Amino acid sequence: DVKVTQSSRYLVKRTGEKVFLECVQDMDHENMFWYRQDPGLGLRLIYFSYDVKMKEKGDIPEGYSVSREKKERFSLILESASTNQTSMYLCASSSPGDWRQKEAGYTFGSGTRLTVV
Amino acid sequence: AQKVTQAQTEISVVEKEDVTLDCVYETRDTTYYLFWYKQPPSGELVFLIRRNSFDEQNEISGRYSWNFQKSTSSFNFTITASQVVDSAVYFCALSPDNYGQNFVFGPGTRLSVLP
Repeated sequence: DVKVTQSSRYLVKRTGEKVFLECVQDMDHENMFWYRQDPGLGLRLIYFSYDVKMKEKGDIPEGYSVSREKKERFSLILESASTNQTSMYLCASSSPGDWRQKEAGYTFGSGTRLTVV
Repeated sequence: AQKVTQAQTEISVVEKEDVTLDCVYETRDTTYYLFWYKQPPSGELVFLIRRNSFDEQNEISGRYSWNFQKSTSSFNFTITASQVVDSAVYFCALSPDNYGQNFVFGPGTRLSVLP
């Protein structure tokens, strides 16, 4: 069963810590995405990557960076965590080659609920 | 700019009632895709349906149905005879035809189905 796996379901970190959120997909997808989900705001795009070592800013990149050293892995980095980064983080992947043929669009991970104290 | 509005923040119904979740979108693209996703308490977004802008046929899948109307830029989702397992947050989303690199999500509607 193909999937997107996020390494942690729940994380609690202290203000100022450097935080790594990991996402791995086994579908050989070119595109990978990091979203942040907050009540009433839906999902907002932080960063996405369309190839290894490539990255593009989304709508809310401030305070975040990303790394994609291998095709299957896309990491979100909070350089210095702050309380306003407490949120649910969702990783997703998609394939341009499948985009018009397959209906599902993105495949999502189960999310990481991060609390910064 | 693209935008998706889901005006209903939360809806509560009693089991077996029908419920409609509203979705209104804005886009200047002539080719685009509309989606509905379900997010149960487990957190993972589950794909429900995708529609392209050239296909206005309504869709029915079991207890689920979707009404796409370009004239009103709406893509509403109806659950017939709701069940407790339908309780979730539902997201409507819009994507241009650019190979999946840009999704715009609505804020979501939290549906609670009470026994």
